[in-house]
Amino acid sequence: GQQLNQSPQSMFIQEGEDVSMNCTSSSIFNTWLWYKQDPGEGPVLLIALYKAGELTSNGRLTAQFGITRKDSFLNISASIPSDVGIYFCAGQGGGADGLTFGKGTHLIIQP
Amino acid sequence: EAQVTQNPRYLITVTGKKLTVTCSQNMNHEYMSWYRQDPGLGLRQIYYSMNVEVTDKGDVPEGYKVSRKEKRNFPLILESPSPNQTSLYFCASSLFPSSSYNSPLHFGNGTRLTVT
Repeated sequence: GQQLNQSPQSMFIQEGEDVSMNCTSSSIFNTWLWYKQDPGEGPVLLIALYKAGELTSNGRLTAQFGITRKDSFLNISASIPSDVGIYFCAGQGGGADGLTFGKGTHLIIQP
Repeated sequence: EAQVTQNPRYLITVTGKKLTVTCSQNMNHEYMSWYRQDPGLGLRQIYYSMNVEVTDKGDVPEGYKVSRKEKRNFPLILESPSPNQTSLYFCASSLFPSSSYNSPLHFGNGTRLTVT
């Protein structure tokens, strides 16, 4: 099946720092999604992207759909303690295709 | 409250003993899916269902069965569990197969399965 390469695998940052993570794929996707998973819970959708080149914000989060349709990045500005968790990118080909998830980025905020 | 409910949250069993993990959603969603989450491997789709009586294999279906006799329920069945099926399992549903803000994929809180 399709594979997504998500990096970095983990990030140790100070509160207030900006965060950047990205996903790349060997295949083209029509939709890119970013999810966050808090400990003991299922992933929750943060941002959805539908057009190549699209740049979308949700509060302190900004994500972009790469021009080639094979990559996406997520930025978090001015991180706060509740940003801690695992962030997953996900890509979807056609409308009936399931989501292909990246392996996740563990975000850890040091006091 | 709109939600996806999985049971049980935790399950320890022995090799070969059949088990079922239940999943129910109260949002009248057409699309339901099962994922397993393993360290270093992320979320991988096991099976999905586009609607009642319509199910299909995902990326890692071996050793699993599902059924969709009613719209709200999508149980995951392990006929003969093995230790390599020890994992964290998530059920998810959405209004349509295509994921979007109008049809986001809602996840349950997970079932942690240990097979000894």
